Amino acid sequence: QKEVEQDPGPLSVPEGAIVSLNCTYSNSAFQYFMWYRQYSRKGPELLMYTYSSGNKEDGRFTAQVDKSSKYISLFIRDSQPSDSATYLCAIGAGGSYIPTFGRGTSLIVHP
Amino acid sequence: DSGVTQTPKHLITATGQRVTLRCSPRSGDLSVYWYQQSLDQGLQFLIQYYNGEERAKGNILERFSAQQFPDLHSELNLSSLELGDSALYFCASSTTGGETQYFGPGTRLLVL
Repeated sequence: QKEVEQDPGPLSVPEGAIVSLNCTYSNSAFQYFMWYRQYSRKGPELLMYTYSSGNKEDGRFTAQVDKSSKYISLFIRDSQPSDSATYLCAIGAGGSYIPTFGRGTSLIVHP
Repeated sequence: DSGVTQTPKHLITATGQRVTLRCSPRSGDLSVYWYQQSLDQGLQFLIQYYNGEERAKGNILERFSAQQFPDLHSELNLSSLELGDSALYFCASSTTGGETQYFGPGTRLLVL
């Protein structure tokens, strides 16, 4: 079992839909959680960063962490074609600055 | 634009050859990280440098080496290249004690 599991997709949704992207992890020592967005042929770009269980909101993006279930989610409201990209979760243990990345989920938002 | 620069953008070379990839971190960032991204392996951590010193090592092959110079730029050297080394190589940087990493645009390496 990989430390961080992420469905590669692709996930195809119509413009305006609410998107849910998810990762599961196995290591209870993981303490910080991040979501990166990567456009084709570009480097990953940090979207959200959180330490705690619960929700964190930033504009149309909400990151949700459930440490008891070892499950994290990224919700995108009112999705736009410009949101079409690969979304990678990244999870790390306290004291380590090297997160473990999921394989990424490809999202396609069609007009 | 993350502020991290990488050169070259593209590199095509032959098996057995040696190449050098270069990275300049964001202004003020002391840590540099190197990653390899391939379709079958995803984003794999290779090595981290902090202020010129090696800080952490990941899945880096013995044929690969890196260093960070006094001006904080870093180079990743790949030698005895194999077809399987074809991938995107990313550099990222972070501030002191920062888990948050900022990625460069990557170098696409193709080994023929």
